[in-house]
Amino acid sequence: RKEVEQDPGPFNVPEGATVAFNCTYSNSASQSFFWYRQDCRKEPKLLMSVYSSGNEDGRFTAQLNRASQYISLLIRDSKLSDSATYLCVVNPRAGNTPLVFGKGTRLSVIA
Amino acid sequence: SAVISQKPSRDICQRGTSLTIQCQVDSQVTMMFWYRQQPGQSLTLIATANQGSEATYESGFVIDKFPISRPNLTFSTLTVSNMSPEDSSIYLCSADRDVGTDTQYFGPGTRLTVL
Repeated sequence: RKEVEQDPGPFNVPEGATVAFNCTYSNSASQSFFWYRQDCRKEPKLLMSVYSSGNEDGRFTAQLNRASQYISLLIRDSKLSDSATYLCVVNPRAGNTPLVFGKGTRLSVIA
Repeated sequence: SAVISQKPSRDICQRGTSLTIQCQVDSQVTMMFWYRQQPGQSLTLIATANQGSEATYESGFVIDKFPISRPNLTFSTLTVSNMSPEDSSIYLCSADRDVGTDTQYFGPGTRLTVL
């Protein structure tokens, strides 16, 4: 089983739609979780950290289910500028250790 | 967030040559990492650049092919040695810029094409 698994997509959604991405991780001892966004030919940029209690940042909501080893990202009221690849990222150990990246989910928001 | 720069931003190299990529962070950081991202793929960790000691390489990556330097807490280099077309990729450095967290920030990447 891969360490971090995501549906590669692509997800093609109209502007204004709500879209959800899911991610599963294999290491139950994993400590920290993140969503990164990567635009075409650019470096990954941190979108948000994911906390056990769930967290929201504007139109973006992230959830973590440790029992199911499952992370989600919900984007409400999609904008054209949300088109990107969304990377699910896990830190398998405590502290500043290398992160493990999923392959990413491609989102295209269409006018 | 960190300001991380890399150079060169891109290069086209001949088979058998070597290229050294530089990564500069705007403040002292504990950890620096080097990743590779091949076309259409996610990021693969090459190694952790340790200050004052040898880099820690991931399975499938060796020091002879990817020598790394980390002379201080703000700078690291990755050399891609004896290049072949299979080394064509984007090489990214990252650093844990935020004290007390394990959040990593990335440099803009170096796009390498080997002919």
